[in-house]
Amino acid sequence: NAGVMQNPRHLVRRRGQEARLRCSPMKGHSHVYWYRQLPEEGLKFMVYLQKENIIDESGMPKERFSAEFPKEGPSILRIQQVVRGDSAAYFCASSPEVRADGYTFGSGTRLTVV
Amino acid sequence: QKEVEQDPGPLSVPEGAIVSLNCTYSNSAFQYFMWYRQYSRKGPELLMYTYSSGNKEDGRFTAQVDKSSKYISLFIRDSQPSDSATYLCASPLSGGYNKLIFGAGTRLAVHP
Repeated sequence: NAGVMQNPRHLVRRRGQEARLRCSPMKGHSHVYWYRQLPEEGLKFMVYLQKENIIDESGMPKERFSAEFPKEGPSILRIQQVVRGDSAAYFCASSPEVRADGYTFGSGTRLTVV
Repeated sequence: QKEVEQDPGPLSVPEGAIVSLNCTYSNSAFQYFMWYRQYSRKGPELLMYTYSSGNKEDGRFTAQVDKSSKYISLFIRDSQPSDSATYLCASPLSGGYNKLIFGAGTRLAVHP
């Protein structure tokens, strides 16, 4: 079992570019969650998705950020027109059902905006 | 006020020491509590999961919840250098488990 796979591990973008972060959940997991971790801070919830549906996006910034989890393929977190404040570690987690103890996190994507 | 408060440390202890990590929370609706361990450059991994007040033990780890004072603790006995990591407490927002509220994490260093 490969676990939750996130790629790329590191991503450098210039201000104004787009960042695409990918997350492949564990086999059999149909629930995906994205969290952001700023330096010296805990993880902050961004969005919860099931296949083809956004269930809760209450933690997503209103502009520039979007997420999807298509029927086929990985979940994508997309950040348009990145700014320096978007620099952070973005973690994806998956679970087979909605259970708080059922989360498995990936190793994260570290986004640096220069 | 943050919903989950945690002293960021760092906390440095000698090998074999008993470590006490603590969090306070403000939301009375929180019922479930977790402790995650996060090694540098890695994702968090679930260590302990407790419901309501009381203690739960798993090997060298004991999680304690005191709902009357909104205080949760993680004790590590016979600490090892491999325990050096950041420890995050978390609780799911009531009404669903899809959103975890995390503390900022406490960085622990166990030196030989």
